[in-house]
Formats: sequence, structure tokens, C-alpha cells
Amino acid sequence: RKEVEQDPGPFNVPEGATVAFNCTYSNSASQSFFWYRQDCRKEPKLLMSVYSSGNEDGRFTAQLNRASQYISLLIRDSKLSDSATYLCVVGRGGSQGNLIFGKGTKLSVKP
Amino acid sequence: SAVISQKPSRDICQRGTSLTIQCQVDSQVTMMFWYRQQPGQSLTLIATANQGSEATYESGFVIDKFPISRPNLTFSTLTVSNMSPEDSSIYLCSVMGRSTSGANVLTFGAGSRLTVL
Repeated sequence: RKEVEQDPGPFNVPEGATVAFNCTYSNSASQSFFWYRQDCRKEPKLLMSVYSSGNEDGRFTAQLNRASQYISLLIRDSKLSDSATYLCVVGRGGSQGNLIFGKGTKLSVKP
Repeated sequence: SAVISQKPSRDICQRGTSLTIQCQVDSQVTMMFWYRQQPGQSLTLIATANQGSEATYESGFVIDKFPISRPNLTFSTLTVSNMSPEDSSIYLCSVMGRSTSGANVLTFGAGSRLTVL
């Protein structure tokens, strides 16, 4: 099993749609979880951290299920500007910078 | 969050040569991290650059191939040695900072896109 696994997509959705991305991770000892966004030919940027209780930031909702080792990201009312690759990221422990990145799920929002 | 400047932003290199990538941060940081993103692949940590000590390399990466310098708390370099086409990749410098909610988050430089012919 890969350390962090995501559906690569692409997800092609119309503006205003709700889209959900899923991610599974293999290390049950992982303690930190994130969603990063990467635009084409740009560096990844933090979208949001993911907490056990779930968290919401505007149109974005992240959920963590430790028992199933599963992370999700929900985007409501998609905008054209949401088009990007969304990276599921899990902390490996040890060095704080030792993060495991998924390959990413590509989202394309169409008018 | 920290502002990270990397150079070169891109380069085309000949097989067998070496290239040094520079990373400058606008604030003092204890650890700097070097990642690689190969085409169509996820980011992979190469090494952690510690000021005043040897860099810590991840499995599959060695100092002879990827020597790292960390002369002070705001600067680091990564050298890709004896390059082959398989080294064609984006190399990213990153530092750990704090989000507005207080969580530890990685901030990345814009990356250095290397193409080896």
C-alpha cells in the first residue's frame, strides 16, 4: 500500500458544483494532516490543516477518520479559480518537515 | 509566513555536469528542507539542512549526489552532481512556519526546474 494514496482524477466539474476528494494513508502513527494546493508550474501552498474534529474554511471542509486512515476534502460552490491539483499530505513524524505527499488530484472547473 | 527565494528558477543542463541551487529566506530558520518533484510524481523529501551540522538525508538520497550547504540561518544550497536525464525535476526549498491558526506548515520556494539533456 502506498504511503499516501489519492485518486489522480482529473475531476471535471461545472461552476457551482460540489466536489469531494479522498485520500488514504498507511502510517497509523501519523499525527499531522494537510491539504495543499498546487497550481500548474507553481509551488504547493497550504490550503488547510486537517483536524480530527473536522474543520471548515469557507467553501472548503476537511475531515479525518483515523480509524479508517482516511482524509477527505469537500469543495462547495466550485469556482473557476479552484482549478488546480490538490495534494493530500501526511506527517511522517520525526523531522517536522518530513511530510509525505500524495500525487495529487487534479480538479478542472469549467464555466 | 516566510518569503523564500530560489535560483535559478529553471535551467537546462548537460549530462555529467553539476548545478547548485540557492535558497534564501527572509527570516532565520532552524531547519530548511529540500524536496524533489519529478514529472507527474509527488513531492519527495531529499534532505533536511541544519545550520552548523551535516544535512540529514532521506532513504534513497546520498550526500555525494546531493551535497547541501547551510552556512547560516537564512541560506542553503543544494547541488545536483553528475547529472543524468533522470535528475530532470523540480527542486523545491522549504521552511517550517506557523499558520494563522498556530499549526506548523511548510512554505515552499517557487522551485527550480531542471532539465538534463
